[in-house]
Amino acid sequence: DVKVTQSSRYLVKRTGEKVFLECVQDMDHENMFWYRQDPGLGLRLIYFSYDVKMKEKGDIPEGYSVSREKKERFSLILESASTNQTSMYLCASSFFRGQSNQPQHFGDGTRLSIL
Amino acid sequence: AQSVTQLGSHVSVSEGALVLLRCNYSSSVPPYLFWYVQYPNQGLQLLLKYTTGATLVKGINGFEAEFKKSETSFHLTKPSAHMSDAAEYFCAVSHASGGSYIPTFGRGTSLIVHP
Repeated sequence: DVKVTQSSRYLVKRTGEKVFLECVQDMDHENMFWYRQDPGLGLRLIYFSYDVKMKEKGDIPEGYSVSREKKERFSLILESASTNQTSMYLCASSFFRGQSNQPQHFGDGTRLSIL
Repeated sequence: AQSVTQLGSHVSVSEGALVLLRCNYSSSVPPYLFWYVQYPNQGLQLLLKYTTGATLVKGINGFEAEFKKSETSFHLTKPSAHMSDAAEYFCAVSHASGGSYIPTFGRGTSLIVHP
């Protein structure tokens, strides 16, 4: 089974801090994604990556950046955390760029609180 | 552009009753369609997917969905609800674009099952 592992289930940080959320997948998937999930808004795409060192902005990239130095690892960075970034963050991966019939595999999420 | 509309943010049924969760999509090209389920404090997991071929798709846990091109719909059904079906359900659409793809999710429907 594909496993997508997010480094923390719960995280509490302070306003202005630089925050790192880590995600690792073990199935050699090309595509990796970061979403945030808020009640009533569903999943909103922050960034995605289809290859090492490649990244594309999603629908809500402001205030975030990403890093993909290795194929299995995709990091989300909050440059200067703000209270409106308090949310559930979900990482996902999928197989093979261009194969749009491949489903995504999700991690269990990181619930981030910014105080 | 593609989009997904899930009718009803909450659906309430009695145990043993029919479950019907509605999903309509818009896509300029033939879509690939997915239903995911999210149990509390977990990530999303795939219930079923439609790519090509048979329009009635069977998934895990007794769920099925029918792709109706003329109605641009992909509604999820289960003949008899179980308490363990209580969860958040997401419909998603994706298609290839420029050598990669970006799935689009609906806002989710929370299924409540009463004893």
